[in-house]
Amino acid sequence: NAGVMQNPRHLVRRRGQEARLRCSPMKGHSHVYWYRQLPEEGLKFMVYLQKENIIDESGMPKERFSAEFPKEGPSILRIQQVVRGDSAAYFCASSPEPGFYEQYFGPGTRLTVT
Amino acid sequence: SQKIEQNSEALNIQEGKTATLTCNYTNYSPAYLQWYRQDPGRGPVFLLLIRENEKEKRKERLKVTFDTTLKQSLFHITASQPADSATYLCAFNTGGFKTIFGAGTRLFVKA
Repeated sequence: NAGVMQNPRHLVRRRGQEARLRCSPMKGHSHVYWYRQLPEEGLKFMVYLQKENIIDESGMPKERFSAEFPKEGPSILRIQQVVRGDSAAYFCASSPEPGFYEQYFGPGTRLTVT
Repeated sequence: SQKIEQNSEALNIQEGKTATLTCNYTNYSPAYLQWYRQDPGRGPVFLLLIRENEKEKRKERLKVTFDTTLKQSLFHITASQPADSATYLCAFNTGGFKTIFGAGTRLFVKA
């Protein structure tokens, strides 16, 4: 039973480029959460999605960031025109139902903007 | 806004001793608290959940307490081992779908 999968594990982008981070939730899970973690800081909630729906995006920056979770395929976190401040670890988590307290995390994608 | 505070200083203890980590929260009264373990370069792993009506929860060598008056949770690892060395995160859900995480406390267990 594969866990939450994220790819790529490491991503290097130049300022102004686009970054696409992918997350495949655990089998049977249809609820996905994205978090950002800066060094020495806690995980910051970004967005919660169900299949084909964004439920809560209160943690997402208003510009350049978007997320989707299509009917088929992985969830995508997209960052347009990246800046150095976007460098961080981005984690995806999934759960089997809403309000299920325990979240299962992927290994993260480490984004470096040069 | 809701906040979680964990001791930012690393905790260094000797193998076999009990490690105690503290989590304090403000501006909210969560119905439950969660504890996660995170190793370097990896995602957090769920350890324990304690509800507001539970004073204490145990799982093997782990014990969590929840004091809603003090707005505090304590996380204990008894008979600690070097393999317990990691960062431990406290978290709570704000009632919707948003989970707030503390910055974590790094634990080092020396053999």
